[in-house]
Amino acid sequence: GQQLNQSPQSMFIQEGEDVSMNCTSSSIFNTWLWYKQEPGEGPVLLIALYKAGELTSNGRLTAQFGITRKDSFLNISASIPSDVGIYFCAGQLIAGNQFYFGTGTSLTVIP
Amino acid sequence: IAGITQAPTSQILAAGRRMTLRCTQDMRHNAMYWYRQDLGLGLRLIHYSNTAGTTGKGEVPDGYSVSRANTDDFPLTLASAVPSQTSVYFCASSPDGTTKNIQYFGAGTRLSVL
Repeated sequence: GQQLNQSPQSMFIQEGEDVSMNCTSSSIFNTWLWYKQEPGEGPVLLIALYKAGELTSNGRLTAQFGITRKDSFLNISASIPSDVGIYFCAGQLIAGNQFYFGTGTSLTVIP
Repeated sequence: IAGITQAPTSQILAAGRRMTLRCTQDMRHNAMYWYRQDLGLGLRLIHYSNTAGTTGKGEVPDGYSVSRANTDDFPLTLASAVPSQTSVYFCASSPDGTTKNIQYFGAGTRLSVL
């Protein structure tokens, strides 16, 4: 299957700091999604991106669809303790409808 | 609003036993999916269904079967469970299986095969 490389694998940050994570692939995707998963729950959609170069915000979260269509970025500004969780990227290939998921970035926010 | 309901929430199963994981959605979504989530591997697609009456194989289909008799239900069956099927299983649905395919997830079923 397709491989999505998500980095970093984990982050430990102080409350109030900004966070950046990214997802890269060797394949071109037509859609990128970013999800957050909290312990014992399923992933919850944060942001959806459909066009190369697209920049979309959801509160303190901003995500971008890379120009090459092979990557995407998620930024969280002024982190708070409730941002703790695992963040997953997911990409959909142009030719098919299957989504491929990254391995996740585990975020810990230290008060 | 229920969204997607998975049952059971957790299960311990003896190897060789048959098990069906249930998934029901009340959003009238056409497409439904089953994923397994394992540490360090993220979410991997097992089977999917773009519409009632059709199913397809995902990335890791071996040892699993699905059926889609109606729009709302998409059960996943392990015919003869093996320890490597110990995982957290997530069901998801989306309005359709093509463009703007946002997937919504259930809370998961934690399965241990001993």
